[in-house]
Amino acid sequence: GNSVTQMEGPVTLSEEAFLTINCTYTATGYPSLFWYVQYPGEGLQLLLKATKADDKGSNKGFEATYRKETTSFHLEKGSVQVSDSAVYFCALSVGNQGGKLIFGQGTELSVKP
Amino acid sequence: DVKVTQSSRYLVKRTGEKVFLECVQDMDHENMFWYRQDPGLGLRLIYFSYDVKMKEKGDIPEGYSVSREKKERFSLILESASTNQTSMYLCASSLIDGYGYTFGSGTRLTVV
Repeated sequence: GNSVTQMEGPVTLSEEAFLTINCTYTATGYPSLFWYVQYPGEGLQLLLKATKADDKGSNKGFEATYRKETTSFHLEKGSVQVSDSAVYFCALSVGNQGGKLIFGQGTELSVKP
Repeated sequence: DVKVTQSSRYLVKRTGEKVFLECVQDMDHENMFWYRQDPGLGLRLIYFSYDVKMKEKGDIPEGYSVSREKKERFSLILESASTNQTSMYLCASSLIDGYGYTFGSGTRLTVV
């Protein structure tokens, strides 16, 4: 079946530190991969996406590269800010399942000044 | 600005009550989804709908039903609320191919 596994949180970093949140997936077929972010008290927002192998998604200083050989889609940011504190979700969709998203368990990030 | 609107941010209901959670989108999206979010479990799909009057079970449909009488509105129904349905409920909509996913702000339901 299809599934997503994320590194466990919470992750606590100091401002300007480097961030990596690991995400690996299992999928039948060729998935599209996504990172969503949930700020406190809000719904989820799309952060970035990649639709095929070796694609790099990027937004707001965050990046993730679709690695088919390692079935991974790790989220990175070179210098985090306090405002990046949120819960981050990795997700996949497989084209023959009508757009359903399958989510990882979420990773809470806390950035301290 | 396009939106998915959930009718309530917070709800408190008693065990055994019938509960309606409403979701409305203004983007003319074909697909609509209901997820529940629990700590350590991420988001789990309850039900989804590809079209008016159409519904399909997700991964955890037990204890829930849905209604989609109009394209823009997708309702989640708890026929007889139980304490294990205390959770955050998130509605989302998307285009038919799955892109353009937009989430509502969520309804935090507490069943006492």
